[in-house]
Amino acid sequence: AQSVTQLGSHVSVSEGALVLLRCNYSSSVPPYLFWYVQYPNQGLQLLLKYTTGATLVKGINGFEAEFKKSETSFHLTKPSAHMSDAAEYFCAVSSGGYNKLIFGAGTRLAVHP
Amino acid sequence: ETGVTQSPTHLIKTRGQQVTLRCSSQSGHNTVSWYQQALGQGPQFIFQYYREEENGRGNFPPRFSGLQFPNYSSELNVNALELDDSALYLCASSLDRQDEQYFGPGTRLTVT
Repeated sequence: AQSVTQLGSHVSVSEGALVLLRCNYSSSVPPYLFWYVQYPNQGLQLLLKYTTGATLVKGINGFEAEFKKSETSFHLTKPSAHMSDAAEYFCAVSSGGYNKLIFGAGTRLAVHP
Repeated sequence: ETGVTQSPTHLIKTRGQQVTLRCSSQSGHNTVSWYQQALGQGPQFIFQYYREEENGRGNFPPRFSGLQFPNYSSELNVNALELDDSALYLCASSLDRQDEQYFGPGTRLTVT
């Protein structure tokens, strides 16, 4: 069975500070890993994904994540937070495809001036 | 290109009633997946439809059922509504079963 754990349901950073959102996964098969963002009253938007190959993946809006198999982690980072980054972020895993996504509980990111 | 659309946006139902939620997939996409997102939680996979057939189901009771039509739009039906069914229901379409999923804005269902 697959699962995702997001450490910290709420993260607060200052504008311009580093953003680090943590995600650990469990999977018995090589995983596909995803980060999604959800703005209030909207659906999910894909930020980035890891399937195979390069373990450091870059996404939209300056976000990136690194797949670390030994640590079963896929943490999301952004060097400098912007006010517009305030949203809910979800890490997800699937078993070698995109068809059934297993999501974490989410991390709400607040960015203050 | 039109994205994934869902209707209605909001819905209020009474416990025991039945509800139908609708999803129009993105042009050219033959696969639709449905997710339930309870307040404060991540989305949970309900089921997926591929070319009008169910292609996988999550841990949801049979009163959650679905349909996919020849134009690949889809419906989610929930019978005998319970208070815990109150959630945001998300639909996602993909080009094929193993392709990236594109999410709609969701339907917020409130059961009273």
